[in-house]
Amino acid sequence: EVQLVESGGGLVQPGASLKLSCVASGFTFSDYWMSWVRQTPGKTMEWIGDIKYDGSYTNYAPSLKNRFTISRDNAKSTLYLQMSNVRSEDTATYYCTRGNWELDWGQGVMVTVSS
Amino acid sequence: DIQMTQSPPVLSASVGDRVTLSCKASQNINKNLDWYQQKHGEAPKLLIYYTNNLQTGIPSRFSGSGSGTDYTLTISSLQPEDVATYYCYQYNSGYTFGAGTKLELK
Repeated sequence: EVQLVESGGGLVQPGASLKLSCVASGFTFSDYWMSWVRQTPGKTMEWIGDIKYDGSYTNYAPSLKNRFTISRDNAKSTLYLQMSNVRSEDTATYYCTRGNWELDWGQGVMVTVSS
Repeated sequence: DIQMTQSPPVLSASVGDRVTLSCKASQNINKNLDWYQQKHGEAPKLLIYYTNNLQTGIPSRFSGSGSGTDYTLTISSLQPEDVATYYCYQYNSGYTFGAGTKLELK
């Protein structure tokens, strides 16, 4: 069974940085592209970006490219999302997903940006 | 960017009803579309992939159809446990979700 467990969320001040983690199990992590998706409090879903199975390529939503960085550690079966210079509009639940279609989802982690 | 428009935003139906949810893309997405179900407080779950393929473990009352820009999710006989928000998602060019249809019991 595919399991994806996110962590690292919480309350963060505007302008700060935050790093989310996602530990994967139940499949061979290094065989899959992985992605991050977020859902705003208003329930809007937004694809953030993805990373190739070997970590050699990343792709981002244009509006987030300069502030968000996706990385992975295949030895630890872990996906990361580094968020910098966060803004109030980054307040959302962040989901780790396997692949870019036919998505398997983690349970999500909440990030609240507020002073 | 491809825009995905779901209708209606909210749908009220009775147990046993046949329910149809619509998703329209701003351009041809070549059937590269999934449907996800999200129950309150839970993560989304894959129902249908590549327009009309039922994910393993999903009840057969769910089905998908469509082509070009117009896609449909149908529930043949609504059950109480189907109360949820349903999202369409295209991956033909970039990756875009619809705004969702919230399905309620009448």
